[in-house]
Amino acid sequence: DAGVIQSPRHEVTEMGQEVTLRCKPISGHNSLFWYRQTMMRGLELLIYFNNNVPIDDSGMPEDRFSAKMPNASFSTLKIQPSEPRDSAVYFCASSPRTGGGEQYFGPGTRLTVT
Amino acid sequence: KQEVTQIPAALSVPEGENLVLNCSFTDSAIYNLQWFRQDPGKGLTSLLLIQSSQREQTSGRLNASLDKSSGRSTLYIAASQPGDSATYLCAVRKAGTALIFGKGTTLSVSS
Repeated sequence: DAGVIQSPRHEVTEMGQEVTLRCKPISGHNSLFWYRQTMMRGLELLIYFNNNVPIDDSGMPEDRFSAKMPNASFSTLKIQPSEPRDSAVYFCASSPRTGGGEQYFGPGTRLTVT
Repeated sequence: KQEVTQIPAALSVPEGENLVLNCSFTDSAIYNLQWFRQDPGKGLTSLLLIQSSQREQTSGRLNASLDKSSGRSTLYIAASQPGDSATYLCAVRKAGTALIFGKGTTLSVSS
């Protein structure tokens, strides 16, 4: 299995631009999670989906962030407009069970907003 | 609100030592606890998953214990090697929710 796939691996953009991060979960996994990692705050949940349905988006910082999961094999996290404080590493993870189970992380997307 | 604390924040040991990393959490009503390893600039690699009904899990030189009632978990690394140098993260999960992470312990093993 290829594991969780994220793209791009690195993204550098200017303030005000739209950024779209992509994730392909492990085939057969029912849950998908988006996390953000910064030095100050560590790893924090942004949003997670069960069976393509958003369950908890309480971690989404503000309306500039949106996430979609149109099917079981693809999810996007969009930031519009981007700001320098959005600079972080964004991880996608998937899990084979909706209630619990081990989470498997992708390699992350390092976002730099100048 | 669940809070996860890891002590120490950093640890340096010579090769061959046995060591213990600590993790504590404030809400004992967890579904499971997961230990991860993160190498610099890399993603997270799952090391061990302990369900709330379990007391410990072992994988090679790693042993993780869980004391749910006291809100504690330890990760024991036997006979440490330079290749063990990384940041170790502890995370807890309630049923139907996402992981809550600690800030991690950065381990450096010198040869």
